[in-house]
Amino acid sequence: GDSVTQMEGPVTLSEEAFLTINCTYTATGYPSLFWYVQYPGEGLQLLLKATKADDKGSNKGFEATYRKETTSFHLEKGSVQVSDSAVYFCALRTIQGAQKLVFGQGTRLTINP
Amino acid sequence: DAMVIQNPRYQVTQFGKPVTLSCSQTLNHNVMYWYQQKSSQAPKLLFHYYDKDFNNEADTPDNFQSRRPNTSFCFLDIRSPGLGDAAMYLCATSRDGLAGTHEQFFGPGTRLTVL
Repeated sequence: GDSVTQMEGPVTLSEEAFLTINCTYTATGYPSLFWYVQYPGEGLQLLLKATKADDKGSNKGFEATYRKETTSFHLEKGSVQVSDSAVYFCALRTIQGAQKLVFGQGTRLTINP
Repeated sequence: DAMVIQNPRYQVTQFGKPVTLSCSQTLNHNVMYWYQQKSSQAPKLLFHYYDKDFNNEADTPDNFQSRRPNTSFCFLDIRSPGLGDAAMYLCATSRDGLAGTHEQFFGPGTRLTVL
């Protein structure tokens, strides 16, 4: 079945550091890909998305490019802030059968001042 | 602002005592979902409504039921909560179909404690 694998956390960085959170997927066809962010005690918020190969999603300084050759959708940010501390989930939307989200296991990110 | 609202944000119940969690939306989305999220884990889909059609996940226990009386509201009923049902319960909505964007919008969640 379809699946998403994220780099294991937790990830701890200093403010203004460069961030990469790796995400790879296994799926039939070309699913839509998403990054969601979850702040402590809250629900998930959509951070960015890409619906076809080579699309780049971007929001709040975060970017991710849909790479079908490597089946990846890595999240990057050039300069992180303390307020970026959260759990990040990579997800795909299945295109066969019931269309639903398949999540990765999540990566906890902590940014120190 | 259009949004997904969950009530209550925190719910405490006793072992075996039925509990109902509520979700409402002002987005006029046709699909509503219920997820269970345990600590440090990804959300796990329990079931969803596509319009009025109920779709249960194969591994969702019978202890969990859902109702959707109209487009805006959806309820999660836990008939006999066990200690293992303590979790965050997330409601989400999406607009599916030809004009849909397929993005899921999540509510803030209800944290359930079972004593």
